[in-house]
Amino acid sequence: DTAVSQTPKYLVTQMGNDKSIKCEQNLGHDTMYWYKQDSKKFLKIMFSYNNKELIINETVPNRFSPKSPDKAHLNLHINSLELGDSAVYFCASSPDSYGYTFGSGTRLTVV
Amino acid sequence: AQSVTQPDIHITVSEGASLELRCNYSYGATPYLFWYVQSPGQGLQLLLKYFSGDTLVQGIKGFEAEFKRSQSSFNLRKPSVHWSDAAEYFCAVGPSGYSTLTFGKGTMLLVSP
Repeated sequence: DTAVSQTPKYLVTQMGNDKSIKCEQNLGHDTMYWYKQDSKKFLKIMFSYNNKELIINETVPNRFSPKSPDKAHLNLHINSLELGDSAVYFCASSPDSYGYTFGSGTRLTVV
Repeated sequence: AQSVTQPDIHITVSEGASLELRCNYSYGATPYLFWYVQSPGQGLQLLLKYFSGDTLVQGIKGFEAEFKRSQSSFNLRKPSVHWSDAAEYFCAVGPSGYSTLTFGKGTMLLVSP
């Protein structure tokens, strides 16, 4: 069983579209995260949720909206996609700060 | 604010040779330190972590890292590199609790025959 699964793995879409990325973890962890990895491989935190509550929201455009229906799921919805949103988006979970478990990533390409 | 510096963008090592990847951090208190590895097209896998106690920590795949407070470093080492170790390596630092990790920019390891 995959511990942290993201769908889709690849997403190609046009500018201006709205898209969602889903993340599910079966580890029973309380905290989930979204990270963005740019073309230079730099990883930057976007959001952090603990037990469905938003606890960290870094400087991210309002077009990005996370939603956590339960503590096993953290989805990312992106409105009005722009070229600069092209990146790999990673979901991760952790029981605390004792190391994350990452998903395999979603490569988003905006054309 | 916490930060991580990985001074080497890429390193090439011959198969069977030893490896050391450098990581320097900036953090006000005792940090939680991590090394992750990312193979092409894959997510990040935790290699090892340091919270407290013995400053030499052992990880998976034969890797180890040493925490040196006086140098603010947490360098990753392996005595004999295998071709399958070729990947991107990330050092990360974070406090305890629900705060997030800050990652370095990564070091790409290339292994030559």
